[in-house]
Amino acid sequence: GESVGLHLPTLSVQEGDNSIINCAYSNSASDYFIWYKQESGKGPQFIIDIRSNMDKRQGQRVTVLLNKTVKHLSLQIAATQPGDSAVYFCAERKVEYGNKLVFGAGTILRVKS
Amino acid sequence: SQTIHQWPATLVQPVGSPLSLECTVEGTSNPNLYWYRQAAGRGLQLLFYSVGIGQISSEVPQNLSASRPQDRQFILSSKKLLLSDSGFYLCAWSLRDRVAGELFFGEGSRLTVL
Repeated sequence: GESVGLHLPTLSVQEGDNSIINCAYSNSASDYFIWYKQESGKGPQFIIDIRSNMDKRQGQRVTVLLNKTVKHLSLQIAATQPGDSAVYFCAERKVEYGNKLVFGAGTILRVKS
Repeated sequence: SQTIHQWPATLVQPVGSPLSLECTVEGTSNPNLYWYRQAAGRGLQLLFYSVGIGQISSEVPQNLSASRPQDRQFILSSKKLLLSDSGFYLCAWSLRDRVAGELFFGEGSRLTVL
């Protein structure tokens, strides 16, 4: 379904600090999760994914944590840089939706220099 | 390597006019294809998806339609645009039958209906 709310939450961080972006998902049967980054005027780009049989996965400067008990997903960005400023979306694959990805509303990350 | 192209990138249309957005994928066969809409300040809403030529599934009732005349071509259309059709439209593809399910997005088409 459509995301609700007219204003996306915003996270402001100082350059060099770590960022944590959170996402709650709705379906305990979801088996796959992805984080996307969308820069202004562009399409979303894949950052990192995680399957439901894992609770942590690391990439380059990014870590995704999955807490299935509380249905919570987070994206951690280490040493945040100005180029990290973007909108970040989590997406879950819902089995009952034919394995299509359903996106959250998104979080704006602003990096202050 | 695979690429996805969608056009036009920007268009301004009057209410009641028709719409055609086109998307093509190169470098892969039998992809799943998707149209998403992103209203200002909102997340991504899935409009249509297709698992094959001529096979279209609609996610939400709306003023838009989609067609897939060829394996790697996906078209979003409207006969008469509404003001509420304004938004950022994104075409995406994924590999058929792949467990991972990652979507690859185009650069988007910004539609303004006046």
